Amino acid sequence: EVQLLESGGGLVQPGGSLRLSCAASGFTFSACDMNWVRQAPGKGLEWVSIITGGGTSTYYADSLKGRFTISRDNSKNTLYLQMNSLRAEDTAVYYCVKSMSGWGFFDSWGQGTLVTVSS
Amino acid sequence: EIVLTQSPATLSLSPGERATVSCRASQSVSSYLAWYQQKPGQAPRLLIYDASNRATGIPARFSGSGSGTDFTLTISSLEPEDFAVYYCQQRSNWPRTFGQGTKVEIK
Repeated sequence: EVQLLESGGGLVQPGGSLRLSCAASGFTFSACDMNWVRQAPGKGLEWVSIITGGGTSTYYADSLKGRFTISRDNSKNTLYLQMNSLRAEDTAVYYCVKSMSGWGFFDSWGQGTLVTVSS
Repeated sequence: EIVLTQSPATLSLSPGERATVSCRASQSVSSYLAWYQQKPGQAPRLLIYDASNRATGIPARFSGSGSGTDFTLTISSLEPEDFAVYYCQQRSNWPRTFGQGTKVEIK
């Protein structure tokens, strides 16, 4: 059974940084593209970023403007999201999401971790 | 960026009725469209991928159709557990984008 467990969320001041982690199990992590998707309170879903299984390619939502960095450690079956220069509008639940093969759709989701940006 | 527009925003129906949710793309996404279901306090769940393929474990009452710019999610006969928010999503272009969601509520 696929399991994705996010951690690292919390309260951070505007301009601050935070690193999210996602521990994966139940599948061959290094073979799967992985994503972060976020959802602001009471709002819809927004795709944030993707990284290939080998970690060699990444894509980001245009709105992030270089503030976020996705990475992975396949030896630890862990996905990361480094978030810098955080703004109030980054407040959201952040989901770790596994892609189907070939940059595919999102077939497994974690339960999410809440990031709150506020002074 | 490809914009996905869902309609209606809210659908009020009774159990046993048929639900139809539409998703229109601002440019062609071929068949690279998926549908997700999200219940309150839960993560989304993949229902349909590549416009018309049911994901593993999804009941046959859920079906998807369409290609290019116009897509439809149909729930043939609503069960109590189907009342939720539904999102479409495209993987034709970067960035990946979602529709704004359609809430299917109990009438």
